[in-house]
Amino acid sequence: GAVVSQHPSWVICKSGTSVKIECRSLDFQATTMFWYRQFPKQSLMLMATSNEGSKATYEQGVEKDKFLINHASLTLSTLTVTSAHPEDSSFYICSFSKGTVSNQPQHFGDGTRLSIL
Amino acid sequence: AQTVTQSQPEMSVQEAETVTLSCTYDTSESDYYLFWYKQPPSRQMILVIRQEAYKQQNATENRFSVNFQKAAKSFSLKISDSQLGDAAMYFCAYRGQGGSEKLVFGKGTKLTVNP
Repeated sequence: GAVVSQHPSWVICKSGTSVKIECRSLDFQATTMFWYRQFPKQSLMLMATSNEGSKATYEQGVEKDKFLINHASLTLSTLTVTSAHPEDSSFYICSFSKGTVSNQPQHFGDGTRLSIL
Repeated sequence: AQTVTQSQPEMSVQEAETVTLSCTYDTSESDYYLFWYKQPPSRQMILVIRQEAYKQQNATENRFSVNFQKAAKSFSLKISDSQLGDAAMYFCAYRGQGGSEKLVFGKGTKLTVNP
């Protein structure tokens, strides 16, 4: 089955630091990748949709300049949290879709726990 | 916009018993897809089962089955012969047609399995 590798799994850093999270599809090329944010005991909230070679589409209320998404290749998408602050602490999860067929399930990375001090 | 509602924040079941998790959704589309995902304490999202709206037959995956009622916009998950490893958060999710691949998640149901 499809495998998604997400790194790092846990990061702790000081306020004001920028943090980059990588999401890789290991066994096929992903045309579309998704970034979610999950607060404790809450559901996944879609932040943005990342299409290879084009600009990401952000959900309403998500700051584009705060959360930079780069989908430079069909196997790699990155999320950079710029000038992170304690309120950015959360669990971030990436996922990808194998194609444009809607019945194909999304495959998720294992997530990144971000803690900003 | 589509919405997904899971009305049971928490459920519990005895090991080997059966439990049903509820999910309702709202959409104006006729063709769409529904999913149940499991998130154990490790927080990895694991696909449990999926259902195409155009199929009348309820999906089944081993001990997991769904009761899909399209007219009522209901998509419940039944877990038979519950095991300790079934303990997790369960999320119901909706995905529409028309090129939109977004998953819309419910708020989740925390399932506890008692030995």
